[in-house]
Amino acid sequence: GAVVSQHPSWVICKSGTSVKIECRSLDFQATTMFWYRQFPKQSLMLMATSNEGSKATYEQGVEKDKFLINHASLTLSTLTVTSAHPEDSSFYICSASRRTSGSLAGELFFGEGSRLTVL
Amino acid sequence: AQKVTQAQTEISVVEKEDVTLDCVYETRDTTYYLFWYKQPPSGELVFLIRRNSFDEQNEISGRYSWNFQKSTSSFNFTITASQVVDSAVYFCALSELYSGGGADGLTFGKGTHLIIQP
Repeated sequence: GAVVSQHPSWVICKSGTSVKIECRSLDFQATTMFWYRQFPKQSLMLMATSNEGSKATYEQGVEKDKFLINHASLTLSTLTVTSAHPEDSSFYICSASRRTSGSLAGELFFGEGSRLTVL
Repeated sequence: AQKVTQAQTEISVVEKEDVTLDCVYETRDTTYYLFWYKQPPSGELVFLIRRNSFDEQNEISGRYSWNFQKSTSSFNFTITASQVVDSAVYFCALSELYSGGGADGLTFGKGTHLIIQP
């Protein structure tokens, strides 16, 4: 099956630094990628939707200057948490959509997630 | 606006018991997809099922079965003869049905933590 890989799987950083998380579709071209955030023992919340070559669409309440998303190619999207603070510590998960011919909606594949801890 | 409600925060059963996880959804869309995912302690999401709103047929896959009732906006998940390895958090999710092969972000429920005791 299709594989979506995230890197790094976990990262610890100091407050005030920026952290970049990569999301790659390894064996298919992802026209759309999604970024979710999951706080401990809570649900996944959609942060933004990114389409290759265009600006990301952010959900209400998500700061676009804080969470920079770049979808430069059909196989790579990056999420940069700028000037990270302890409250940004969370599990970040990406998903990628593979367009399916003849189907009404693309298939979705999730990455393994990236756990960010900001000290 | 879309909403998914999983009223059961935590369920604990003894191994080999059957268990049903409830999911109720709200959407203004007439066409949509419903999903169930399993999230073990490692964190990765394991896809279990996707069902579109056109198809109300129930589905069985091994020990897993799903009951989709459009009339009550529910998409419940049953595990029969539960096993310790079934212990995880289970999420129900909803998305809009896009034509043309596109996709939409998912709206997740809060999840149900299932504990299977040996």
